[in-house]
Formats: sequence, C-alpha cells, structure tokens
Amino acid sequence: SQQGEEDPQALSIQEGENATMNCSYKTSINNLQWYRQNSGRGLVHLILIRSNEREKHSGRLRVTLDTSKKSSSLLITASRAADTASYFCATGQYSGGYQKVTFGTGTKLQVIP
Amino acid sequence: EPEVTQTPSHQVTQMGQEVILRCVPISNHLYFYWYRQILGQKVEFLVSFYNNEISEKSEIFDDQFSVERPDGSNFTLKIRSTKLEDSAMYFCASRAGGNNEQFFGPGTRLTVL
Repeated sequence: SQQGEEDPQALSIQEGENATMNCSYKTSINNLQWYRQNSGRGLVHLILIRSNEREKHSGRLRVTLDTSKKSSSLLITASRAADTASYFCATGQYSGGYQKVTFGTGTKLQVIP
Repeated sequence: EPEVTQTPSHQVTQMGQEVILRCVPISNHLYFYWYRQILGQKVEFLVSFYNNEISEKSEIFDDQFSVERPDGSNFTLKIRSTKLEDSAMYFCASRAGGNNEQFFGPGTRLTVL
C-alpha cells in the first residue's frame, strides 16, 4: 500500500456544496501538504499542516490532521465551478534539514455549476 | 509574489536525444527538487539538491539523469538518450528550509517521439 492514498478517487458535487477529501498514510510524518492541479497544469500549494497541528484554515479550505489515525482531510466549503481540479495530499518527512515529500494518488473533484 | 519558473513549457524530442529542462527556483530558497508525473499517474519524486550536491534520489533517477545548478539562479535536469517512457510532466520545486512547504513550478511537458 502506498504512503499517501486519497479517497474518494473521484467526487462530483453541485456548486455551493461542501467537498471533503481524505488522505491516509503509512509512516510517521513531519508535515502534510495539500496541492491542487488543474488538468494538465502545474501544482498549486494550498496548505501545509505540521504534525503538531490538528486543524488549519485558509479561506474556504479547512484541513485536519489526525496523526494517531495517520489521516488528513481537506474540506472545501461553498464549492465553486472553478474548484474543479485534482487534489493531492503530500506527506513530508523532515530530518536534518532535508525533506522528503511523497504524493498521494489524488482526488478528482468536479463541481457542477 | 515570488514563484518558481520552468522553461520550456513543452519540449518535444526524438527518442535517443538529450534534453535539458530548466528551472529558476525562488531566489532565497536553498533546497531544490525535481519530480515527474506520467499522464494520469501520481507525482513521483526524482531528486533533491542542496549545497550543490544531490541529497537524495529515487530509484527512477538513474544514470540517464543528472542535475546541475550552473549559476546562482538556474537548476537544470538533463535527460540523456531519452526513451518513450520518459514522456511526462516534469516539475521543479524549491523550499526555503525548515519544516516548510515546497513551491512548485508550472512544469515542463516532455514528449518523446
């Protein structure tokens, strides 16, 4: 099984609804990052949560981290059509100045106007 | 806002040729990375670079690949003798240091014919 696995793999919702994506991982981490990727485009950093944090907010985004369950969730509230994209979690292991980031498989979100 | 830039945005090459993908990391960042994403698959770590040397590399990063920081601003990935399966998006990322996020460039789409 892989370090970062998101579920669901695909999610389709109506505009205005909330979207929740989950990420599970296997090994201990120092941080967890969420990225967004529009089809065929680059990765946009959304939010980083450190292992000693439980919840973080940024605009319409809310990220939680449960290190005991080795899981994280990304909630997008009041979704918009422009939120349609793939969302990836990436676990960060940091030691001695070096950081290793491992990406999950991604959730493809479609927001229907 | 400072950002990571990559050139070219799209590179088409013949099998067996050498390509150099270029990245300009954020200016005060110290750690640099290359990742690749084969179409429809997840983002995979290739190599990390710090203090003018490779700090970590994945099993993908074999003798076909090399990285260089030829001057104070550019960070390059060279792929020798390209193969069809090297076709992918290649992302550069940089990080200031500490337990902080990596910022990604927009990617270079490499197509090997």
